Amino acid sequence: DTGVSQDPRHKITKRGQNVTFRCDPISEHNRLYWYRQTLGQGPEFLTYFQNEAQLEKSRLLSDRFSAERPKGSFSTLEIQRTEQGDSAMYLCASSLAGASGNTIYFGEGSWLTVV
Amino acid sequence: AQKITQTQPGMFVQEKEAVTLDCTYDTSDQSYGLFWYKQPSSGEMIFLIYQGSYDEQNATEGRYSLNFQKARKSANLVISASQLGDSAMYFCAMREGDSGGYQKVTFGTGTKLQVIP
Repeated sequence: DTGVSQDPRHKITKRGQNVTFRCDPISEHNRLYWYRQTLGQGPEFLTYFQNEAQLEKSRLLSDRFSAERPKGSFSTLEIQRTEQGDSAMYLCASSLAGASGNTIYFGEGSWLTVV
Repeated sequence: AQKITQTQPGMFVQEKEAVTLDCTYDTSDQSYGLFWYKQPSSGEMIFLIYQGSYDEQNATEGRYSLNFQKARKSANLVISASQLGDSAMYFCAMREGDSGGYQKVTFGTGTKLQVIP
């Protein structure tokens, strides 16, 4: 499978715990994105990387959220001291700059439930 | 103002019929891109079709076509010959700016399509 893969697919955690999600983009894609989606809403942009550089962060990304892409390949999204409001699906996506209108291809998402 | 507006929270269509899902957008950029994605209940966002702002022809991909009316700032998705497997949420999205430059894609709130046998 050469698509975007995310791990874990589902995570239940207690409030106050830290969680980390991993994303492996499509191999030749140099751009990687994180989005958050809550029930009944479209995906909301969180942050994006071009290679290993984090070029944009949404105001939605509070200080408790951090994303890295250390070698320009896979990425991690960490949420510290989780809150119930963090419960959502976290979507990772990737694209190749300039190709096909920079179409973004998504993974299957990581569902987070904070109890 | 909303960047992407999808005014139909839910739609029903009879199997084998065509259906149009509405999308209007708001941007002052000359170069931009419009996308449609399908999200089944499993959660994965599946890319369907892309239209660039400078593309003169409406995009088509199999049973999907994008009715692009630039002056009206609309980018409606037409699904022909609906199938039961088309039942899903459909999201319209817009990339502002040139595809090689800064990237941010904004999504609408979606339309839930249900295909009736």
